[in-house]
Amino acid sequence: DIVMTQSPDSLAVSLGERATINCKSSQSVLYSSNNKNYLAWYKQKPGQPPKLLIYWASTRESGVPDRFSGSGSGTDFTLTISSLQAEDVAVYFCQQYYSTPLTFGGGTKVEIK
Amino acid sequence: EVQLVESGGALVQPGGSLRLSCAASGFTFSSYALSWVRQAPGKGLEWVSGISASVGRTYYADSVQGRFTISRADSKNMLFLQMNSLRVDDAAIYYCVKGGQTVAGNAYDTWGRGTLVTVSS
Repeated sequence: DIVMTQSPDSLAVSLGERATINCKSSQSVLYSSNNKNYLAWYKQKPGQPPKLLIYWASTRESGVPDRFSGSGSGTDFTLTISSLQAEDVAVYFCQQYYSTPLTFGGGTKVEIK
Repeated sequence: EVQLVESGGALVQPGGSLRLSCAASGFTFSSYALSWVRQAPGKGLEWVSGISASVGRTYYADSVQGRFTISRADSKNMLFLQMNSLRVDDAAIYYCVKGGQTVAGNAYDTWGRGTLVTVSS
């Protein structure tokens, strides 16, 4: 199984400042035949299901604000919120969809400082 | 509008059984793989099981292999999860999720609101 490790577990950022979340996979999720990283990021607010933010490691889902960006390749990935807004307070999860069992990171809780 | 609506969650005793259902609408159901993802209270996300489009190949997490059975009824746009020999650590919100044609290979672009399974004596 591919183990996904997120860091930090939580972070507090001032409004308008940058938030950075890291995700590391225990093996590469880069598929060589199409050069795509099978890595997604989700946002979950309390009492709600997760919502897809980013797929293929760096492609924003339709309707996701451009302050959210994803980067990285192979085994190391980053989700960046360039200017934190109040509505960004949530838990963020990374996920590999390269192979079954599909696996998630443990989550990172983002709060306002 | 693409929509997934789960039902069937309940309080059940350890060792009991439960069948979850997911009603889908707004997309060509038979063309997509579907999965179940669960989340224990206050915890992270765990993929439980998935079923592919077309041939209906099934996949399971080791933690539920042999106890849970996923199935689909394309004529009714329905997904099911039969859960047997339930354990206390199966308690969670169970989400029905949609990706692409195969179980792996696509992110989950649609999630239901979930149904709560409680396992307790």
